[in-house]
This record gives sequence, structure tokens and C-alpha cells, in this order.
Amino acid sequence: QKEVEQNSGPLSVPEGAIASLNCTYSDRGSQSFFWYRQYSGKSPELIMFIYSNGDKEDGRFTAQLNKASQYVSLLIRDSQPSDSATYLCAVNDDNTGKLIFGQGTTLQVKP
Amino acid sequence: DARVTQTPRHKVTEMGQEVTMRCQPILGHNTVFWYRQTMMQGLELLAYFRNRAPLDDSGMPKDRFSAEMPDATLATLKIQPSEPRDSAVYFCASGLVPKAAFFGQGTRLTVV
Repeated sequence: QKEVEQNSGPLSVPEGAIASLNCTYSDRGSQSFFWYRQYSGKSPELIMFIYSNGDKEDGRFTAQLNKASQYVSLLIRDSQPSDSATYLCAVNDDNTGKLIFGQGTTLQVKP
Repeated sequence: DARVTQTPRHKVTEMGQEVTMRCQPILGHNTVFWYRQTMMQGLELLAYFRNRAPLDDSGMPKDRFSAEMPDATLATLKIQPSEPRDSAVYFCASGLVPKAAFFGQGTRLTVV
């Protein structure tokens, strides 16, 4: 079992819709969770982080964390074609400092 | 404008040659990561350092890869000898544990 799992997609949504990206992790010691966006040929860039159970909103993005279920998700409201990219979930074990990434989910937003 | 700087951006080399990739982390960050990204494997953690001390390099093929951090402003990743299967994009990232890491632009390595 991989430490961080994501559906590779592609996930295709129409412009203006809500895109929902999901991630599960295996290590219960994980305490910090991140979402990165990576455009083709570019490096990953941080878009959200969440440390506590519940929801965290930042503009059109909402990160959701459920530690009991070992599940973290990212919602993108009012999706735009410019949101088309690969979204990487990352999990950090604060004790070891190890930052592990999932395979990423490719999102396509169609005009 | 603080950023992680990686050099070179592109490297083409022949099989068997030594390759050295360099990374200048963001000033003040205490953790440096090296990742390799391929289409098949995604983003794999090769090694990481905290306060310049190596914490885990279990992701690296030990016989050919080595990672060092000779000072706070420089991290290096060496491959000797290089093989075609090492062709990938290598990313360096730095951060303040347990906060997020910030990535450099990567080194695209092609071994022919």
C-alpha cells in the first residue's frame, strides 16, 4: 500500500463547476497536510495546507481533513480552465519531517 | 524574492558519467528535500536533511547516488555512474518543518 494515494484521473469538469480531489494516507502519525498544483513542465507550487480536522477555506479553494478516516480532500469552486493542472497531495510526519507525495490527480476544466 | 535555486536546469550526459546537481535553499529554512519525478513513479523522495544533517536517504540507490549538504546555502545530489534509467526531473525543495516545502525549478536530466 502506498503511503499517500490519489486517483490519477483525469478528472474532467465543466467551467464553473466544483472540482473535488481526494487523497488517503496510511501513516496515522501524519500531522500536516498540503495540496500542491503542478502545471505541465513546471515545479509544484503550494496552494493549501491544513493541520486540524475540518475545513479550511482560501478563496475558491477548500481543504478538508478527517484524521480518523485518514482522508484529505480539496474542493475547487467555480473551476476555471486555468485550474487545469495536476494536483498533488502531500503528507508530513512532524516527528520525522518526512514529506511524502501522492501520484497526483490530473484535473481538466473544459470551457 | 526568496526562492529555491537549482542548477543546472537541463543536463544531457552519457551513460557512465558523473552528474552533480546543486540546490540553494531559501535562507532560514531548516529542511531540504531531494525528489525525483517521472511519469511512471510520480514524485519520489530520495533524501532529506534537517539543519544540514541527513535524516533519511532510503529512497536513493546507495551504490550510485549520494546527497550532501556542505553548508546551509548548498545541497548537492550526485550520480556516479549515471544510467539511462536515471533520466528524470530532479527537484530540490526547502521548508521549515513542519510547515510546507517550496520547490526549485528542477533539473531535467537525460542520460543517453
